Amino acid sequence: GGIITQTPKFLIGQEGQKLTLKCQQNFNHDTMYWYRQDSGKGLRLIYYSITENDLQKGDLSEGYDASREKKSSFSLTVTSAQKNEMAVFLCASSTDRGREVFFGKGTRLTVV
Amino acid sequence: GEKVEQHESTLSVREGDSAVINCTYTDTASSYFPWYKQEAGKGLHFVIDIRSNVDRKQSQRLIVLLDKKAKRFSLHITATQPEDSAIYFCAASMRRSGGSNAKLTFGKGTKLSVKS
Repeated sequence: GGIITQTPKFLIGQEGQKLTLKCQQNFNHDTMYWYRQDSGKGLRLIYYSITENDLQKGDLSEGYDASREKKSSFSLTVTSAQKNEMAVFLCASSTDRGREVFFGKGTRLTVV
Repeated sequence: GEKVEQHESTLSVREGDSAVINCTYTDTASSYFPWYKQEAGKGLHFVIDIRSNVDRKQSQRLIVLLDKKAKRFSLHITATQPEDSAIYFCAASMRRSGGSNAKLTFGKGTKLSVKS
């Protein structure tokens, strides 16, 4: 089996600050995703990447950048943290066929 | 784009009873419907899925039904146990050309409580 590791687990930033969340997977999966989980709103896709150096915008990409410099890692940058985006950010990966998507344990973002 | 509505935000059942969570989707092109479970403080993990070429799938105590005409799918958990308590998410995606699945669209989640 494999694992998805998200760092940090908890991230506290100041309003307006640029913050980066990191994700590593050792499944050797092609596709990786960043989702945002807000209480009562389910998961919303921010960015995904189907291969190294590929980036695709999701439904919630405004205010975020992403980077897939190698197959095993996918990072997400909050370009200017706002208090209304305090949430849990979940990284995920799947094979190209997307038969099953595996999730990390999440990074909880707090903006002060 | 696709929208997935998960009808029950909370559900409480007695241990041993069945729990049913219902979802509807909007895009007729959606063909893959997985379910995920999230326990307190943890990430999501896959529990069961169904593809549009079948209308029923069972894995132990979990049954998924798909009604393509009504664009509705449901998760049935039979003989519930306290460890089934969690948040359950339904999702839907289309199959892209070449056979791969496109991105998943999730419902808002159902918090299931199984009381002993």
